Amino acid sequence: DTAVSQTPKYLVTQMGNDKSIKCEQNLGHDTMYWYKQDSKKFLKIMFSYNNKELIINETVPNRFSPKSPDKAHLNLHINSLELGDSAVYFCASSQQGSGSEKLFFGSGTQLSVL
Amino acid sequence: RKEVEQDPGPFNVPEGATVAFNCTYSNSASQSFFWYRQDCRKEPKLLMSVYSSGNEDGRFTAQLNRASQYISLLIRDSKLSDSATYLCVVVANTGGFKTIFGAGTRLFVKA
Repeated sequence: DTAVSQTPKYLVTQMGNDKSIKCEQNLGHDTMYWYKQDSKKFLKIMFSYNNKELIINETVPNRFSPKSPDKAHLNLHINSLELGDSAVYFCASSQQGSGSEKLFFGSGTQLSVL
Repeated sequence: RKEVEQDPGPFNVPEGATVAFNCTYSNSASQSFFWYRQDCRKEPKLLMSVYSSGNEDGRFTAQLNRASQYISLLIRDSKLSDSATYLCVVVANTGGFKTIFGAGTRLFVKA
């Protein structure tokens, strides 16, 4: 009954490959997010979607493409992976995206690019 | 200057101690404030919201000083289970609500 679930938990791949991370939330929330936590532990927002529409797109390379088929899913596709993409990626959701709400996070996907 | 700054620590304290964490933010238009907790290799989880008048939840007290753009978290009677990283979180409305996380302060509580 995990509220926000993301797969896979670990992803090890070679430079130049294309990979996807999936995220699903069963909380009925309208807003979903992707965050990246790097080796220095900074947690930075990458994208925010509200009801399948892109709301926030930080300065993320266009090799990263989020896809939201419905408001319960926000997948992250990464093309031409680079060493610097190695990090932990967290999916999250919130009720409406009003800024005053609790964020619910998935357990993270540890991506290692070799 | 980072948007949200915290002392990275680590703070090493004995059980029962009182420990305080500080956080400063740069955007004066920030409107919501939180403390999250992150255990090693786990996802962040909300610890508490921070209100202008200050608020308390059991052993945890959070305070906000908008004039100084400063947030604090006080933990009284520390438990071993309090060992974690504490993330200061600030939300600003920049044409969409943007949640900014500090890098976190690590706390180790020892027996």
